[in-house]
This record gives sequence, structure tokens and C-alpha cells, in this order.
Amino acid sequence: EPEVTQTPSHQVTQMGQEVILRCVPISNHLYFYWYRQILGQKVEFLVSFYNNEISEKSEIFDDQFSVERPDGSNFTLKIRSTKLEDSAMYFCASSDGPPSTDTQYFGPGTRLTVL
Amino acid sequence: AQRVTQPEKLLSVFKGAPVELKCNYSYSGSPELFWYVQYSRQRLQLLLRHISRESIKGFTADLNKGETSFHLKKPFAQEEDSAMYYCALGVSSNTGKLIFGQGTTLQVKP
Repeated sequence: EPEVTQTPSHQVTQMGQEVILRCVPISNHLYFYWYRQILGQKVEFLVSFYNNEISEKSEIFDDQFSVERPDGSNFTLKIRSTKLEDSAMYFCASSDGPPSTDTQYFGPGTRLTVL
Repeated sequence: AQRVTQPEKLLSVFKGAPVELKCNYSYSGSPELFWYVQYSRQRLQLLLRHISRESIKGFTADLNKGETSFHLKKPFAQEEDSAMYYCALGVSSNTGKLIFGQGTTLQVKP
């Protein structure tokens, strides 16, 4: 069964550095999402992406964050200058059809640790 | 405000006992409710959604708009049901944004 994959599984970085988290959505899916979960807290929506543009972003998703689908298979989340509070598990998800009717399939997550 | 509340962090039951995982939501629009499950060392996966009204792995959930609840129930818990359960609220049919509850760990003891 096809799955969403994410790399790396764990990323450690210094505060102020740029990080890129990578996701490979399920191949025929058209809608893509990033969520994050700070340790001990809720899973929080960051951004949704369709047709090569952001459809919605949360207030967490400020100018330090960006998303890209560079090559038709990868979906990346970039954090330009990481802060300590960006330490979290980041989940990518994808869905086939319109979000109201189709299931979001989640990746295993990337644990980001900012020192 | 758009919010999902799962009041129990941990629910511990014996095998064969009934289970009810509580979920309440706050949303002024027409809600779409989901239950996601995360087994140990596995990814988040959809368990069920209110619009499909189906039973998955013996679990059911009924949307009660009057009480703004979407509790997850199973009449006889199994050890393999032990996992983290998240209730989620869909607040945009166009963008797919989900708002998650805090999650409840279900522990089924033998």
C-alpha cells in the first residue's frame, strides 16, 4: 500500500540555521499538508497546498516558513531561521481528492530539535 | 472559537470492557469530525469519520450536534486497541484544515 514518506526522521540544528524537511506524498495525490506537534501538545495545522499554491496557512506559519513542490514528487517545508520553539515533530500529509471528502494520509514525521 | 477537547489524557480498561473516548468540539459552522489513531511506533491513521457512519475495528462514533460531541465507543475492548486516539475537526472543506484534540491514550489491560 502506498505511503507518505518523510526524511530525515530526526534533524538536529543550531538556532538560526535553515532547515528543509522533505516529504514524498502518495503519487497520485493532489492536496498536501504540514502539521506539527510540540512535545506534550496538540497536533497543529501549519499549511495546506494545492495546485502549486498555498490554500490556507495558520498564524504559526509566518514569514520564516515556506513550502514548495519542487519537482512533482517532493513537498518540502523550509524554516529559514530556526528558533528553539520550532522544536517539534513535523508531519506531512496528502489526500487524493477534495479535503472535504478524502482522507488525509500522514507520514511518519520528522523530529526537529533546535539547540 | 474552533476547538476540540478530549478531557481524558489516559483511559485504562480491562480487555472485554466497554470503551468510550470522549470528544467535544466548538465550531459555529457545519462540522466534519474524525477519529485518528496512532499505534505504538506507527503513523497517524484515520479510524473513522462521521459522514461515513461506518464501524471500523468495532469502533463507532455518533455526531451529536446538540451536545457538540463525537464520542468514540467500542463495546468490548481488545488489547490491540491500545493506542493514542485523536479527535479532529475539519473546519474548511476547501483547504482540509484539521483541528486536533489533545489525544487520549487508551490502555487495554489483559
